[in-house]
Amino acid sequence: EDQVTQSPEALRLQEGESSSLNCSYTVSGLRGLFWYRQDPGKGPEFLFTLYSAGEEKEKERLKATLTKKESFLHITAPKPEDSATYLCAVEVYGNTGNQFYFGTGTSLTVIP
Amino acid sequence: KAGVTQTPRYLIKTRGQQVTLSCSPISGHRSVSWYQQTPGQGLQFLFEYFSETQRNKGNFPGRFSGRQFSNSRSEMNVSTLELGDSALYLCASRSQNYGYTFGSGTRLTVV
Repeated sequence: EDQVTQSPEALRLQEGESSSLNCSYTVSGLRGLFWYRQDPGKGPEFLFTLYSAGEEKEKERLKATLTKKESFLHITAPKPEDSATYLCAVEVYGNTGNQFYFGTGTSLTVIP
Repeated sequence: KAGVTQTPRYLIKTRGQQVTLSCSPISGHRSVSWYQQTPGQGLQFLFEYFSETQRNKGNFPGRFSGRQFSNSRSEMNVSTLELGDSALYLCASRSQNYGYTFGSGTRLTVV
């Protein structure tokens, strides 16, 4: 069964304290892995797409990496405005069309 | 460039009624997907439309249906509403080889 698991569920960091969020997946036929940021009351905002193991993408204080079993979202020197829920999703090839599975997210709070 | 627009933003319906939600994708995007988001289940894929055809479907009962028009706008319909259908319904559009761009969602409350 295709599955996406994010950890931790919640993370509290002091401003400037770097850390990593994890997304592990068990799927057959991965087409791509996506990271999103979601603020309360809003739709998810696209951050990165990763397609193959070893790939890395960076944007400001965020860096996403991908292996064959998991992805990490590294946050360097976070600021309070980085507080949000970070969602991971995978796109999987299917016989009747591709399927998308989301993790339940990591709620990040950055304390000034 | 306008984003994905969902209407209405908020909706309150009574159990047993039906509801139609609307989504206008980013101009030029032909793929539109719908998701249900609840605190307990997170984001769950409902269905995806491409060029007016349903291309993928998630694991939801037949009460949930959708369609896409020739201008790529999409509607989602839920019939015989249940209390458990209360959720944030998100629409997203995408271009090839790019992640989804989501709308702000429609908050549906069933009472």
